[in-house]
Amino acid sequence: GAVVSQHPSWVICKSGTSVKIECRSLDFQATTMFWYRQFPKQSLMLMATSNEGSKATYEQGVEKDKFLINHASLTLSTLTVTSAHPEDSSFYICSARLAGGWTDTQYFGPGTRLTVL
Amino acid sequence: AQKVTQAQTEISVVEKEDVTLDCVYETRDTTYYLFWYKQPPSGELVFLIRRNSFDEQNEISGRYSWNFQKSTSSFNFTITASQVVDSAVYFCALSEALGGTYKYIFGTGTRLKVLA
Repeated sequence: GAVVSQHPSWVICKSGTSVKIECRSLDFQATTMFWYRQFPKQSLMLMATSNEGSKATYEQGVEKDKFLINHASLTLSTLTVTSAHPEDSSFYICSARLAGGWTDTQYFGPGTRLTVL
Repeated sequence: AQKVTQAQTEISVVEKEDVTLDCVYETRDTTYYLFWYKQPPSGELVFLIRRNSFDEQNEISGRYSWNFQKSTSSFNFTITASQVVDSAVYFCALSEALGGTYKYIFGTGTRLKVLA
């Protein structure tokens, strides 16, 4: 149980285009989802916390107009990288917190590797 | 402020050796949670263990064991008789109940290479 999927698993796009990444909790409901980015050989950095039905909370230094987050249902959150540039190339990972379960436990998706040319 | 330090950037061992990965954390909260995750080359984070601040018992799971010591704010991870499949990056993470958000703070990770 507690499986989180991400789609796509990898994407290559041209500079200036927008890319949408989906994060789904497959067998549980998630009131809260988190988005992280990870540069090569570095740690995971939290970008934002996404709560179902409300606006996402962004970490300091993360541009909310560039990284649009929508958490429309208890099983789906999306991250849209708008007007992507090569510096946005990274590994994006989402996680979901099980509603009603241990509030401290996050279940992670497999990640999406974004390459912007 | 909360912080997780994994001082070992990279460790190389020969198969069947034991190896310990260090994790030191900082927190002002009395209620917190500690985690270890494994990240193989595929990139997907694999959950290994969750420990709350009130449970200082050490834990063993097969070849894996964890030593939690609040006195030194450490939560170290030992792999016994390492195998090539253990090669991965291992992350230690801290979660506080701050404001109910339970955000994770990850350490910088330790890259473990197990050589055949």
